Amino acid sequence: DAKTTQPTSMDCAEGRAANLPCNHSTISGNEYVYWYRQIHSQGPQYIIHGLKNNETNEMASLIITEDRKSSTLILPHATLRDTAVYYCIVSDYSGGYQKVTFGTGTKLQVIP
Amino acid sequence: IAGITQAPTSQILAAGRRMTLRCTQDMRHNAMYWYRQDLGLGLRLIHYSNTAGTTGKGEVPDGYSVSRANTDDFPLTLASAVPSQTSVYFCASSVIPNTGELFFGEGSRLTVL
Repeated sequence: DAKTTQPTSMDCAEGRAANLPCNHSTISGNEYVYWYRQIHSQGPQYIIHGLKNNETNEMASLIITEDRKSSTLILPHATLRDTAVYYCIVSDYSGGYQKVTFGTGTKLQVIP
Repeated sequence: IAGITQAPTSQILAAGRRMTLRCTQDMRHNAMYWYRQDLGLGLRLIHYSNTAGTTGKGEVPDGYSVSRANTDDFPLTLASAVPSQTSVYFCASSVIPNTGELFFGEGSRLTVL
């Protein structure tokens, strides 16, 4: 069962903000929202995570709706190096291990 | 070396052969994971280990085994490789088991013919 839904692909002009949406309508109260990205064939890279409050770090901002059913990752000034597949995941610790399930993500193309 | 090291980077293997993918981390993370990545299917968890001496099955464990003799190493073994195990394999670790902040290696591309 997919726990998150993301658009398959998006384009963004270089220098503009990239807003990547994610739906997680079945998220439970103890689950965090995490974002990763994967550039070409490299290993995924952690970006940011949050529970219910908006979060910001040097890479991005994460906006989580009040009902927690969706979130948006914001790259404030996209560069060509931000071209990657972005994964939104919800993290649940149950059954004795961290269930971190990656879907197929959003392929972001930053256009010059 | 800082982070996670995987070896080999790539390998072509005949079906039926045994193969071990190596994963070593120097961050003293408690939890380690093995994922496979296939086109259109995203990343799927194969096996995990919450701490040295313990392992568990993920979503797609069949045909794979792991061991965790110490904190740093988490090898993945294919006892008898089959073509459907052709994939890119990623090892990851986290400080503690119940966090989604994972650190990934650069992957091992395995082709089974």
